[in-house]
Amino acid sequence: GQNIDQPTEMTATEGAIVQINCTYQTSGFNGLFWYQQHAGEAPTFLSYNVLDGLEEKGRFSSFLSRSKGYSYLLLKELQMKDSASYLCAVDGGATNKLIFGTGTLLAVQP
Amino acid sequence: GAVVSQHPSWVICKSGTSVKIECRSLDFQATTMFWYRQFPKQSLMLMATSNEGSKATYEQGVEKDKFLINHASLTLSTLTVTSAHPEDSSFYICSARGSLTRMNTEAFFGQGTRLTVV
Repeated sequence: GQNIDQPTEMTATEGAIVQINCTYQTSGFNGLFWYQQHAGEAPTFLSYNVLDGLEEKGRFSSFLSRSKGYSYLLLKELQMKDSASYLCAVDGGATNKLIFGTGTLLAVQP
Repeated sequence: GAVVSQHPSWVICKSGTSVKIECRSLDFQATTMFWYRQFPKQSLMLMATSNEGSKATYEQGVEKDKFLINHASLTLSTLTVTSAHPEDSSFYICSARGSLTRMNTEAFFGQGTRLTVV
């Protein structure tokens, strides 16, 4: 079966760093995505990892370990506008579809 | 990034009627389109995968006769919720992935459609 787990909620302080973890068990693997979703809006693409290691893009970085079935999204210099849900999604490879994790609701406090 | 347009953004309909939602890829050919539904404070649940010119593949537990999906061209897929009931009220989102090298990775999302059945 397919299983993708994330913490349900997290709270962090403006200006700080937060790490959102994602673990997955899927029958195939063709990459892992992170999306940001504000309430009532569609998800927006943040990052894509298919090889092990860290991908950095401005204040956002994403890490992947395929052997451990593990990824994290790192957000630096948090801003109030970063308050949103963060969705981890795995491309299982065979059918080109993305399976989403449960999502992590991040609240950034002053 | 590529643009996926979803229409309408919101709709209110009476119980028992049908509602059609359109999803268009505006600047690339979407080989595959996906339909998701999302309940408040929950993640995206994949309903079905549609490939241009072929029948949609539905996820387990999704009624294919209730949620009709048509992917007639490389730029348009439609989802029709037939005989809608209040429990079908939800946020429906489409996404598209293309066949070009770059487009083969990222999935682009439409704006979503909030359906309310009264």
